[in-house]
Amino acid sequence: DAGVTQSPTHLIKTRGQQVTLRCSPKSGHDTVSWYQQALGQGPQFIFQYYEEEERQRGNFPDRFSGHQFPNYSSELNVNALLLGDSALYLCASSSPGLAGAYEQYFGPGTRLTVT
Amino acid sequence: DAKTTQPTSMDCAEGRAANLPCNHSTISGNEYVYWYRQIHSQGPQYIIHGLKNNETNEMASLIITEDRKSSTLILPHATLRDTAVYYCIVRVAVSGSARQLTFGSGTQLTVLP
Repeated sequence: DAGVTQSPTHLIKTRGQQVTLRCSPKSGHDTVSWYQQALGQGPQFIFQYYEEEERQRGNFPDRFSGHQFPNYSSELNVNALLLGDSALYLCASSSPGLAGAYEQYFGPGTRLTVT
Repeated sequence: DAKTTQPTSMDCAEGRAANLPCNHSTISGNEYVYWYRQIHSQGPQYIIHGLKNNETNEMASLIITEDRKSSTLILPHATLRDTAVYYCIVRVAVSGSARQLTFGSGTQLTVLP
């Protein structure tokens, strides 16, 4: 059983460009959350998708948007990239019901570098 | 969600128990204590969670004080592979949406040979 997978592993973009990151949740999981982790800091919550809708959002600008597909996979889009968007982007999934509230499974992340 | 306070860093000798403290003095009655860890360049990994009682699983033990204002994560026999940043998180358990985790800076545990 594959865990949470993310693609690509690494990405280099230029300021002003747009980027799309992808996440496939663990089998049986229906909720996907995205986090940004700057170097030396803890992950910061971006937003969460459940039933193909954005349910919760952290303190991130509208340049950050996402989507969840019927198969529960998800995309994170960032427009007009800034140097400060350079970070590790983590995807986490959890299972339906209350059990999913206890444990989230994280993917290995996508390292985004903006030059 | 209640805030947590953890030491910035700790060392532990290999094979000894690692005891990682966490203060959460403003915890509410329905908030759980969760522990995650993040090994360098990997995604965070769930370790354990608890509400009131002490908990144990194959990875660790969680000791929560009676007033629930602090807790300790115990790795009974630390190995070099346990070197990681350990995050203590306090939040309610919600079914469906609203499952985001609020990470602080965590404790960098270094297991020494």
